[in-house]
Amino acid sequence: AAGVIQSPRHLIKEKRETATLKCYPIPRHDTVYWYQQGPGQDPQFLISFYEKMQSDKGSIPDRFSAQQFSDYHSELNMSSLELGDSALYFCASSSFSTGTKQFFGPGTRLTVL
Amino acid sequence: GESVGLHLPTLSVQEGDNSIINCAYSNSASDYFIWYKQESGKGPQFIIDIRSNMDKRQGQRVTVLLNKTVKHLSLQIAATQPGDSAVYFCAEQNNAGNMLTFGGGTRLMVKP
Repeated sequence: AAGVIQSPRHLIKEKRETATLKCYPIPRHDTVYWYQQGPGQDPQFLISFYEKMQSDKGSIPDRFSAQQFSDYHSELNMSSLELGDSALYFCASSSFSTGTKQFFGPGTRLTVL
Repeated sequence: GESVGLHLPTLSVQEGDNSIINCAYSNSASDYFIWYKQESGKGPQFIIDIRSNMDKRQGQRVTVLLNKTVKHLSLQIAATQPGDSAVYFCAEQNNAGNMLTFGGGTRLMVKP
């Protein structure tokens, strides 16, 4: 079965640079969620989109923005990167048919030097 | 639950034994709870879920118990296998049905 696809899987950036993370949800899923997981920590909810509209917002810094496109893929844009942004970034997707169940992608490991 | 930072609690069990992993959740308004398994370098993988109108749900080798009075969840794994070694997170979701709030993870180590 198709799963959530995230790219890139690994990304290394310098401080103050920008980064763009991409998420391709499971086919026919219309909702995407972004989570950030620091080393040894719980995943923390950042933001979610339903049918291309922002549906919920968590602890997402103002330096970050995200959107969902017409093909339902989503991009997380991160600017003015800081050392503390180094983390695993997960995307999850769901649909009406999955109910509240969210399916997670493999994550993007971002390292800020 | 609160993040435990860099020091995850660890449960070490012998292969074939039963495992019980506990979690305290924070929001009494949460009505949906999920257990996820996360292997190193991978995304959280759904294991089992339970709604707040239930207190027990069973899957294949796994059982989730919900005690709403004390806001406590537990995951029981029967006949634990080496492949069960991972970090386990509980997560809660409120009736808005959107964001997940994760509880502190527990690292399960299965000794052969």
